[in-house]
This record gives sequence, structure tokens and C-alpha cells, in this order.
Amino acid sequence: NAGVTQTPKFQVLKTGQSMTLQCAQDMNHNSMYWYRQDPGMGLRLIYYSASEGTTDKGEVPNGYNVSRLNKREFSLRLESAAPSQTSVYFCASSVGWTVAWYGYTFGSGTRLTVV
Amino acid sequence: AQTVTQSQPEMSVQEAETVTLSCTYDTSESNYYLFWYKQPPSRQMILVIRQEAYKQQNATENRFSVNFQKAAKSFSLKISDSQLGDTAMYFCAFMKPGTGANNLFFGTGTRLTVIP
Repeated sequence: NAGVTQTPKFQVLKTGQSMTLQCAQDMNHNSMYWYRQDPGMGLRLIYYSASEGTTDKGEVPNGYNVSRLNKREFSLRLESAAPSQTSVYFCASSVGWTVAWYGYTFGSGTRLTVV
Repeated sequence: AQTVTQSQPEMSVQEAETVTLSCTYDTSESNYYLFWYKQPPSRQMILVIRQEAYKQQNATENRFSVNFQKAAKSFSLKISDSQLGDTAMYFCAFMKPGTGANNLFFGTGTRLTVIP
């Protein structure tokens, strides 16, 4: 089925370890996003990529880096994981930057626990 | 900054009944977009309904409809003939137009349980 695919679905890290969350979409969307979801706080934007070759910070970028590898793929990297980064991470995409009001397509999320 | 408030952390409804989820927002913009997203236990966020602020007519999608009160900055979601598959977290979201998707703001969600 067409959509946004995230890997892995679950991950446990030790403090200080690094890892990369992978995201790929097959809808030919131009814009992609990474969100984190914490209890009682809704979704918060970490980084976004308006189009291939561009990335920019969102509301909570500290401790993360991203790479827009190509039009399909947008990865999120934690260089040195901290317990405060325990969260559910969502990747999303939209047709374009200024027409994001069409709505987003979300992946199914990655539950990350940092111990 | 825009804020989106969902004052009902949890709600429940009997199967086949109607339930309304509340959402209020704060903005000085005159034109914007509002959304309701559903997050079932599978975790994937699904767009339920969208409303453009410049349209006076309330949006509807099958059993889902909204009551958009622009002056009151209120955007409630009504689910008619509730089904067990409607059990999920529901998020209200606000977006400013033309400034890009970094201006999508989510509320904290309402957990809806449909009781058989």
C-alpha cells in the first residue's frame, strides 16, 4: 500500500548510543517532517524538509540531525541518546510546502526508549 | 504563537450514539486551516476532516462533521452513529496558510472509547 514507511517500529537504546530512524514515502510528495509525540503534549515538530535538498529546524531540534537523502527518504539521527528523547517518533509527508493544508500522510511511528 | 486546546482528555460513548469532541484555538490570523486527526491503537495518524476558515459551511465526511465557530475560535468534531472502530485518540490541529507546513500546531488530544 502507498504511504509512509518508518523503521524500526520499536527501539531501546542506552544513554549515549546513537541511532538513525528511517523514513520513506512512495507518494512523490515534496515535503517531509519528523515529529515527536509525548504524553499530554501532542505532536511537536523536530525537523522538516520543504523539498529535496533542504532541511530546517522545527520546534524541538536539539539533540537531533536529519538528512533528506532523496525525494523519497528522510532520516532522523540521534547522535548521543538521552532519556529525555524517550518518545514516539512520527515521520510525515505532504504534497508540497505551501499546499500542506491538503493534509499530511503519517507513518505508523517508532517507539523509542532510552535507558 | 498559535495554541490549540482540547479540554477533554478522555471521553466515552455508547456504540451507535453521537459524541462531540471540543477544540478551541488562539490566533490573530483571519485565514487558516483546521484539522482533526485520528490515531487508533495502531498509532498511525489519519486525517479525518479539514476545514478552511474562509468557508462558512461546516465540513462533513460521512459520519464525521464539524461545528466551526470562527468568532468563538471553536472547532468541534461530531461523530454520529459511533462505531467500535472509532476508538482512538483524536487530535485537533491548526495551520496558517502560505507560510509552510512548519506552522501546523496540534492539541494534546482526546482519547475516545466507544463502548459496545
